[in-house]
Amino acid sequence: AQKVTQAQTEISVVEKEDVTLDCVYETRDTTYYLFWYKQPPSGELVFLIRRNSFDEQNEISGRYSWNFQKSTSSFNFTITASQVVDSAVYFCALSGRRTSGSRLTFGEGTQLTVNP
Amino acid sequence: GAGVSQSPSNKVTEKGKDVELRCDPISGHTALYWYRQSLGQGLEFLIYFQGNSAPDKSGLPSDRFSAERTGGSVSTLTIQRTQQEDSAVYLCASSPSVNTEAFFGQGTRLTVV
Repeated sequence: AQKVTQAQTEISVVEKEDVTLDCVYETRDTTYYLFWYKQPPSGELVFLIRRNSFDEQNEISGRYSWNFQKSTSSFNFTITASQVVDSAVYFCALSGRRTSGSRLTFGEGTQLTVNP
Repeated sequence: GAGVSQSPSNKVTEKGKDVELRCDPISGHTALYWYRQSLGQGLEFLIYFQGNSAPDKSGLPSDRFSAERTGGSVSTLTIQRTQQEDSAVYLCASSPSVNTEAFFGQGTRLTVV
Protein backbone atom coordinates (compact mmCIF):
# COMPACT_ATOMS: atom_id res chain seq x y z
CA ALA A 1 0.00 0.00 0.00
CA GLN A 2 1.05 3.57 -0.35
CA LYS A 3 0.24 6.67 1.64
CA VAL A 4 0.74 10.43 1.38
CA THR A 5 0.64 12.65 4.43
CA GLN A 6 0.25 16.41 4.35
CA ALA A 7 0.38 17.32 8.01
CA GLN A 8 -0.46 20.97 7.49
CA THR A 9 -4.20 21.30 7.09
CA GLU A 10 -4.21 25.08 6.77
CA ILE A 11 -1.53 27.72 6.38
CA SER A 12 -2.08 31.45 6.39
CA VAL A 13 0.62 33.91 5.33
CA VAL A 14 0.91 37.53 4.38
CA GLU A 15 1.71 38.42 0.80
CA LYS A 16 5.43 38.30 -0.09
CA GLU A 17 6.21 35.78 2.62
CA ASP A 18 7.82 32.49 1.65
CA VAL A 19 5.85 29.38 2.51
CA THR A 20 6.69 25.67 2.47
CA LEU A 21 4.09 22.94 2.13
CA ASP A 22 5.17 19.60 3.53
CA CYS A 23 4.57 16.19 1.97
CA VAL A 24 5.69 12.85 3.36
CA TYR A 25 5.04 9.61 1.55
CA GLU A 26 5.17 5.87 2.13
CA THR A 27 5.60 3.25 -0.55
CA ARG A 28 7.17 -0.15 -1.05
CA ASP A 29 7.83 0.55 -4.71
CA THR A 30 11.43 1.13 -5.68
CA THR A 31 10.27 3.13 -8.68
CA TYR A 32 7.61 5.69 -7.98
CA TYR A 33 6.43 9.13 -9.00
CA LEU A 34 5.50 12.19 -7.01
CA PHE A 35 3.18 15.00 -8.01
CA TRP A 36 1.84 18.31 -6.79
CA TYR A 37 -1.53 19.70 -7.81
CA LYS A 38 -3.19 23.04 -7.11
CA GLN A 39 -6.93 23.41 -6.60
CA PRO A 40 -7.95 27.10 -6.70
CA PRO A 41 -11.38 28.23 -5.51
CA SER A 42 -12.76 27.51 -8.97
CA GLY A 43 -12.34 23.83 -8.14
CA GLU A 44 -10.37 22.45 -11.06
CA LEU A 45 -7.21 20.56 -10.18
CA VAL A 46 -4.14 21.94 -11.94
CA PHE A 47 -1.01 19.86 -12.40
CA LEU A 48 2.18 21.54 -11.14
CA ILE A 49 5.01 19.01 -11.19
CA ARG A 50 5.96 15.33 -11.56
CA ARG A 51 9.19 13.79 -10.25
CA ASN A 52 10.42 10.23 -10.48
CA SER A 53 12.15 8.45 -7.64
CA PHE A 54 15.50 8.32 -9.42
CA ASP A 55 15.78 12.06 -9.77
CA GLU A 56 16.46 13.81 -6.48
CA GLN A 57 17.58 17.04 -8.06
CA ASN A 58 15.61 19.96 -6.73
CA GLU A 59 13.56 21.89 -9.23
CA ILE A 60 12.72 25.56 -9.52
CA SER A 61 10.04 27.07 -11.70
CA GLY A 62 9.64 30.78 -11.20
CA ARG A 63 8.50 31.35 -7.62
CA TYR A 64 7.91 27.63 -7.09
CA SER A 65 10.53 25.15 -5.95
CA TRP A 66 10.44 21.52 -4.88
CA ASN A 67 12.76 19.67 -2.51
CA PHE A 68 12.75 15.88 -2.95
CA GLN A 69 14.60 13.89 -0.28
CA LYS A 70 14.39 10.10 -0.46
CA SER A 71 16.19 9.74 2.87
CA THR A 72 13.25 11.33 4.65
CA SER A 73 10.55 10.31 2.12
CA SER A 74 9.60 13.91 1.62
CA PHE A 75 8.69 16.05 -1.33
CA ASN A 76 8.19 19.59 -0.06
CA PHE A 77 6.93 22.53 -2.06
CA THR A 78 8.04 26.11 -1.47
CA ILE A 79 6.43 29.25 -2.81
CA THR A 80 8.71 32.27 -2.68
CA ALA A 81 7.29 35.76 -2.33
CA SER A 82 3.73 34.47 -2.11
CA GLN A 83 0.89 36.28 -3.84
CA VAL A 84 -2.84 36.39 -3.20
CA VAL A 85 -3.39 34.35 -6.38
CA ASP A 86 -1.47 31.49 -4.76
CA SER A 87 -4.40 30.96 -2.38
CA ALA A 88 -5.65 27.45 -3.06
CA VAL A 89 -5.65 23.90 -1.77
CA TYR A 90 -2.45 22.10 -2.69
CA PHE A 91 -2.34 18.32 -3.01
CA CYS A 92 0.67 16.06 -3.03
CA ALA A 93 0.24 12.69 -4.79
CA LEU A 94 2.13 9.45 -5.37
CA SER A 95 1.98 6.64 -7.91
CA GLY A 96 3.96 3.44 -8.14
CA ARG A 97 3.53 0.52 -10.44
CA ARG A 98 4.15 -2.55 -8.37
CA THR A 99 2.17 -2.12 -5.18
CA SER A 100 -0.72 -0.08 -6.47
CA GLY A 101 -0.98 -0.63 -10.20
CA SER A 102 0.04 2.95 -10.84
CA ARG A 103 -3.05 4.59 -9.43
CA LEU A 104 -2.61 8.07 -7.95
CA THR A 105 -2.83 8.36 -4.18
CA PHE A 106 -3.41 11.87 -2.86
CA GLY A 107 -2.69 13.47 0.46
CA GLU A 108 -5.43 15.30 2.35
CA GLY A 109 -4.37 18.65 0.97
CA THR A 110 -3.13 21.91 2.50
CA GLN A 111 -5.31 25.00 2.33
CA LEU A 112 -3.03 27.97 1.70
CA THR A 113 -4.41 31.46 2.27
CA VAL A 114 -2.28 34.41 1.24
CA ASN A 115 -3.53 37.64 2.74
CA PRO A 116 -2.81 41.04 1.18
CA GLY B 1 -11.95 18.71 -27.01
CA ALA B 2 -8.69 19.84 -25.53
CA GLY B 3 -9.33 18.74 -21.98
CA VAL B 4 -11.23 16.21 -19.90
CA SER B 5 -14.93 16.82 -20.18
CA GLN B 6 -17.48 15.78 -17.57
CA SER B 7 -21.24 15.91 -17.73
CA PRO B 8 -23.45 17.01 -16.24
CA SER B 9 -21.65 19.74 -14.33
CA ASN B 10 -24.37 19.70 -11.68
CA LYS B 11 -26.89 17.05 -10.79
CA VAL B 12 -29.61 17.15 -8.17
CA THR B 13 -31.38 13.87 -7.57
CA GLU B 14 -33.80 12.42 -5.11
CA LYS B 15 -32.69 9.84 -2.61
CA GLY B 16 -33.14 6.36 -4.02
CA LYS B 17 -32.78 7.33 -7.68
CA ASP B 18 -29.99 6.10 -9.93
CA VAL B 19 -27.56 8.55 -11.55
CA GLU B 20 -25.03 8.31 -14.34
CA LEU B 21 -22.01 10.57 -14.58
CA ARG B 22 -20.06 10.80 -17.80
CA CYS B 23 -16.39 11.44 -18.49
CA ASP B 24 -14.78 12.12 -21.86
CA PRO B 25 -11.01 11.81 -21.42
CA ILE B 26 -8.36 13.47 -23.51
CA SER B 27 -8.05 11.63 -26.80
CA GLY B 28 -5.34 8.99 -26.74
CA HIS B 29 -5.03 8.84 -22.97
CA THR B 30 -4.91 5.25 -21.81
CA ALA B 31 -5.44 5.81 -18.09
CA LEU B 32 -8.69 7.11 -16.58
CA TYR B 33 -9.49 7.79 -12.93
CA TRP B 34 -12.56 8.59 -10.91
CA TYR B 35 -12.24 10.40 -7.59
CA ARG B 36 -14.76 11.80 -5.15
CA GLN B 37 -14.32 14.99 -3.17
CA SER B 38 -16.73 15.80 -0.38
CA LEU B 39 -17.07 19.38 0.84
CA GLY B 40 -13.75 20.57 2.22
CA GLN B 41 -12.24 17.11 2.03
CA GLY B 42 -9.44 15.44 0.11
CA LEU B 43 -9.69 13.26 -2.96
CA GLU B 44 -11.08 9.81 -2.40
CA PHE B 45 -10.02 7.28 -5.03
CA LEU B 46 -12.89 5.34 -6.58
CA ILE B 47 -11.74 3.44 -9.67
CA TYR B 48 -8.92 3.37 -12.19
CA PHE B 49 -8.86 2.10 -15.78
CA GLN B 50 -5.61 1.44 -17.62
CA GLY B 51 -5.77 0.32 -21.24
CA ASN B 52 -7.28 -3.12 -21.59
CA SER B 53 -6.35 -4.24 -18.10
CA ALA B 54 -8.95 -5.12 -15.52
CA PRO B 55 -9.93 -1.92 -13.69
CA ASP B 56 -8.80 -1.25 -10.13
CA LYS B 57 -12.16 -1.05 -8.34
CA SER B 58 -10.73 -1.12 -4.85
CA GLY B 59 -11.94 2.38 -4.00
CA LEU B 60 -15.62 1.92 -4.77
CA PRO B 61 -17.41 2.50 -1.44
CA SER B 62 -20.27 0.05 -1.97
CA ASP B 63 -21.86 -2.23 -4.53
CA ARG B 64 -24.18 0.64 -5.44
CA PHE B 65 -21.26 2.15 -7.32
CA SER B 66 -20.06 0.84 -10.68
CA ALA B 67 -18.17 2.21 -13.64
CA GLU B 68 -17.36 1.19 -17.13
CA ARG B 69 -15.15 2.46 -19.88
CA THR B 70 -16.31 1.73 -23.38
CA GLY B 71 -13.87 1.35 -26.25
CA GLY B 72 -11.03 2.58 -24.10
CA SER B 73 -12.45 6.09 -24.17
CA VAL B 74 -15.64 7.41 -22.56
CA SER B 75 -16.38 6.33 -19.02
CA THR B 76 -19.62 6.27 -17.07
CA LEU B 77 -19.86 6.16 -13.29
CA THR B 78 -23.22 4.84 -12.10
CA ILE B 79 -24.58 5.22 -8.60
CA GLN B 80 -27.68 3.17 -7.84
CA ARG B 81 -30.20 3.99 -5.12
CA THR B 82 -28.44 7.21 -4.22
CA GLN B 83 -28.05 8.20 -0.59
CA GLN B 84 -27.46 11.61 0.93
CA GLU B 85 -23.89 10.66 1.81
CA ASP B 86 -23.22 10.26 -1.91
CA SER B 87 -23.43 14.04 -2.27
CA ALA B 88 -19.99 15.21 -3.43
CA VAL B 89 -18.03 16.42 -6.42
CA TYR B 90 -17.08 13.53 -8.67
CA LEU B 91 -13.83 14.17 -10.51
CA CYS B 92 -12.57 12.35 -13.57
CA ALA B 93 -8.98 12.47 -14.79
CA SER B 94 -7.01 10.95 -17.62
CA SER B 95 -3.31 10.51 -18.30
CA PRO B 96 -1.30 9.51 -21.36
CA SER B 97 0.05 6.37 -19.71
CA VAL B 98 0.91 4.96 -16.33
CA ASN B 99 2.73 7.16 -13.84
CA THR B 100 2.36 10.31 -15.89
CA GLU B 101 0.55 13.46 -14.86
CA ALA B 102 -3.22 13.22 -14.74
CA PHE B 103 -5.41 15.95 -16.18
CA PHE B 104 -8.66 16.58 -14.36
CA GLY B 105 -12.08 17.60 -15.55
CA GLN B 106 -14.19 20.26 -13.88
CA GLY B 107 -16.14 17.64 -11.98
CA THR B 108 -19.80 16.82 -11.50
CA ARG B 109 -21.39 18.22 -8.36
CA LEU B 110 -23.93 15.66 -7.17
CA THR B 111 -26.53 16.64 -4.61
CA VAL B 112 -28.85 13.99 -3.23
CA VAL B 113 -31.96 15.45 -1.58
